[in-house]
Amino acid sequence: ELKVEQNPLFLSMQEGKNYTIYCNYSTTSDRLYWYRQDPGKSLESLFVLLSNGAVKQEGRLMASLDTKARLSTLHITAAVHDLSATYFCAVDMEYGNKLVFGAGTILRVKS
Amino acid sequence: GAGVSQTPSNKVTEKGKYVELRCDPISGHTALYWYRQSLGQGPEFLIYFQGTGAADDSGLPNDRFFAVRPEGSVSTLKIQRTERGDSAVYLCASSSFGALGADTQYFGPGTRLTVL
Repeated sequence: ELKVEQNPLFLSMQEGKNYTIYCNYSTTSDRLYWYRQDPGKSLESLFVLLSNGAVKQEGRLMASLDTKARLSTLHITAAVHDLSATYFCAVDMEYGNKLVFGAGTILRVKS
Repeated sequence: GAGVSQTPSNKVTEKGKYVELRCDPISGHTALYWYRQSLGQGPEFLIYFQGTGAADDSGLPNDRFFAVRPEGSVSTLKIQRTERGDSAVYLCASSSFGALGADTQYFGPGTRLTVL
């Protein structure tokens, strides 16, 4: 059974600081996704990582994938308040059959 | 273009009642998914449709839950004899299909179901 673990589960950080969220998964995966969810809202797709060594960047967020270590990271650079949200990683085992999500990381950026 | 839409946005029902939740996917998306999200948790897979057929219903928790997609577009998730434990946000997602299988799943706003 595929398990996806994120850490930390809660992250409070000051504006301007850098931090990394980690996502570990237990079995071989086809693809890995990062989603953002604002309170009371649905999930917004941020990144899809398709292969070992893949790196994608959008603004202050950068995601990477190491399939050998079964690890993805979401790095936050110079955080701003607008990045406050819950971030989920999700692993796709069977080319789009279903996603298995981590528990989510609640990010709070303090001014 | 229009995203995934779900109705109703909120549904309050009494224990034992029957409910239907509707999902309208992005036009042209052949794959449709239902997930359930409880408070403070990540979404959990329920069922996946490819076209009109349920390709994987392994996430449905029991036989009180079933879903249909009769014309390969709109889907309805049906819950019989609702229980308080069914209270959650039910999310629908859709995706297109590319060379590597299904593409990114795009999620709707969800239906918040409360069973009293």
